[in-house]
Amino acid sequence: GAGVSQSPRYKVTKRGQDVALRCDPISGHVSLYWYRQALGQGPEFLTYFNYEAQQDKSGLPNDRFSAERPEGSISTLTIQRTEQRDSAMYRCASSLVVSSYEQYFGPGTRLTVT
Amino acid sequence: SQQGEEDPQALSIQEGENATMNCSYKTSINNLQWYRQNSGRGLVHLILIRSNEREKHSGRLRVTLDTSKKSSSLLITASRAADTASYFCATVPGMDSSYKLIFGSGTRLLVRP
Repeated sequence: GAGVSQSPRYKVTKRGQDVALRCDPISGHVSLYWYRQALGQGPEFLTYFNYEAQQDKSGLPNDRFSAERPEGSISTLTIQRTEQRDSAMYRCASSLVVSSYEQYFGPGTRLTVT
Repeated sequence: SQQGEEDPQALSIQEGENATMNCSYKTSINNLQWYRQNSGRGLVHLILIRSNEREKHSGRLRVTLDTSKKSSSLLITASRAADTASYFCATVPGMDSSYKLIFGSGTRLLVRP
C-alpha cells in the first residue's frame, strides 16, 4: 500500500514568507508525528497528534511554528515569517496505534529559506 | 536536543567487509532502534531491540545493547555498495513519552565497490 507522502518535496522561500508543509499519513494510521532534521544531524521531534488532537508540541521551536490535523488525517505544519535558520528537512511519520514508537516515515520536505 | 551520539561520524570500507557503528545514549530507555537514510530518501526502519534484550539479528544485521553502559552497536556483515547510507540510532524513553523517538547524529557509511 501507499506509504506516508509529503508535499511539496522541495520548497524554496524568501525570508519573511509563510510556508505550509503537508503530510498525508498511511491510510488508517491514527497518530502523526513531525520531525525536523538539520543537515548532518538526526531528526528532532517537533509535535504529534492522536487523531485530530495535538498531544505534545514541546518540540516546536517558537510560536512561528504551528501544526494542525483538523480531520484526523492530513496534517499541515505551518511556519510563519520564515527565517534562514528554519532551513531543514521536515519529516512526517505516522503510526497505526496511538502514541507509538513504531513510526513510518515519509520522504520529507526540504525547505530552503533564502 | 539529541540523546544519542554515534561513532564514528563517517566510515569508509571495501565491499565485502563488515561495518560496525556505535551509539551511546544518556537516559534510561524502553527500546532502541536503528534506521537507514539513503541520499534524498526517507528513513527506513531496520531493527528494534528492547531494553531487556542484549542481542538481535536480522539478515546481515546484528545489533547489541548494553544498558549498563548505555550503548548499542550495529554490525553489517558482508557489506554491499547498496549499504551506502547514513545510519541513525533512535532511543525511545520510558513509558510516559514512548512516542518520542530521540535520534543520534548518525554515521555516514560509504561502501566502495
